[in-house]
Amino acid sequence: QVQLQESGPGLVKPSETLSLSCSVSGGSISNSYWSWIRQPPGKGLEWIGYIYNSGSTNYNPSLRSRVTISVDTSKSQFSLKLSSVTAADTAVYYCARDNVLLWFGELSSTGMDVWGQGTTVTVSS
Amino acid sequence: DVVMTQSPLSLPVTLGQPASISCRSSQSLVHSDGNTYLNWFQQRPGQSPRRLIYKVSNRDSGVPDRFSGSGSGTDFTLKISRVEAEDVGVYYCMQGSHWPWTFGQGTKVEIK
Repeated sequence: QVQLQESGPGLVKPSETLSLSCSVSGGSISNSYWSWIRQPPGKGLEWIGYIYNSGSTNYNPSLRSRVTISVDTSKSQFSLKLSSVTAADTAVYYCARDNVLLWFGELSSTGMDVWGQGTTVTVSS
Repeated sequence: DVVMTQSPLSLPVTLGQPASISCRSSQSLVHSDGNTYLNWFQQRPGQSPRRLIYKVSNRDSGVPDRFSGSGSGTDFTLKISRVEAEDVGVYYCMQGSHWPWTFGQGTKVEIK
């Protein structure tokens, strides 16, 4: 079955760019939507954005100005970049497979059915 | 954005007893395609979230049938018919009917 593994630095300095990757194994990265979700310490879940294997993306408006999600199908990886980070971006970051549907231009999701184990990113000088 | 409000936020339960979690949305979750994209997740301590139920009442493969989801419009419920020790964790509702997807604050289920 499909498995996901996040990787990247656990410590990022304020104002710098957070960069994470998610490796997809046990299945194809094609024809699926892939999301990033984060969870600040002791808090709930926040959806960051998704990418389709074609490169089509959609970002949470609250983070859109700072987020870039990209995909490398040859490596079966997708990546997250979050710029100008502050302490508020400290969180566990999860990658997940998102079940997105498109119906006459209208999006919907039945949720994320495969999750990585999460990686902790701390923003601190 | 659609605001998802869960209650209670903390739920102490006795083993073998039922438990119920409410999730309310700030607007109807009926999608233009006629479906309602309200999903439930379980996050056990130290683990990643796991989807339990999608589209209100559809259980994921491997999810015990003591978990059930119901509701419509803006008012939804996750029920556990008989709580077991492995059910301890935080439960989140998530709406996928209106972009961007949003989650509830979470309900922590613990054993009394």
